[in-house]
Amino acid sequence: DGGITQSPKYLFRKEGQNVTLSCEQNLNHDAMYWYRQDPGQGLRLIYYSQIVNDFQKGDIAEGYSVSREKKESFPLTVTSAQKNPTAFYLCASSPDRVSSYGYTFGSGTRLTVV
Amino acid sequence: KNEVEQSPQNLTAQEGEFITINCSYSVGISALHWLQQHPGGGIVSLFMLSSGKKKHGRLIATINIQEKHSSLHITASHPRDSAVYICAVGSGATNKLIFGTGTLLAVQP
Repeated sequence: DGGITQSPKYLFRKEGQNVTLSCEQNLNHDAMYWYRQDPGQGLRLIYYSQIVNDFQKGDIAEGYSVSREKKESFPLTVTSAQKNPTAFYLCASSPDRVSSYGYTFGSGTRLTVV
Repeated sequence: KNEVEQSPQNLTAQEGEFITINCSYSVGISALHWLQQHPGGGIVSLFMLSSGKKKHGRLIATINIQEKHSSLHITASHPRDSAVYICAVGSGATNKLIFGTGTLLAVQP
């Protein structure tokens, strides 16, 4: 079945360490996104990519980095510069670069800094 | 003020009740999405609509473009409907979504 796979489901990181969250899709979607969810707040866009080898900052990109070397993969690195990284991270994809039709979400990764 | 507002924030219902969750937005949109998030965190897309009404099983979604308002209805609610329901809008000619903060629904047996 087609879908988005995020791994791991739970992740613990020590302060000062970088950590990479995986997001893979087999839907042949052009666009991929990373969102962050905090309690009591709506999902906020970190980074998005509309095509391979191209990506754009979202609303809260500071302290994060991404790459899009393959169409099916869009990993997110949470760097030590991110001041408050403990959150729930969701990856999503859509088939079209110019509309919000066909959005598909992953199951998320919960990151905790200890 | 958020661009997408949902109400209520929390809702408790008895099994069998008719439920309505509301979403208002202040931006021009290309489409509105209703999403369901279960305790594990994964999100499922329930509806995407740009006009009128859609129905899937016991779920009905409506949108009024002039009033910038959408509603999600659940008929004959069941405890398995307990989840967070999120409204999101695609604004302009892009594929980025703007999300509401969600409505936590608990359906008691």
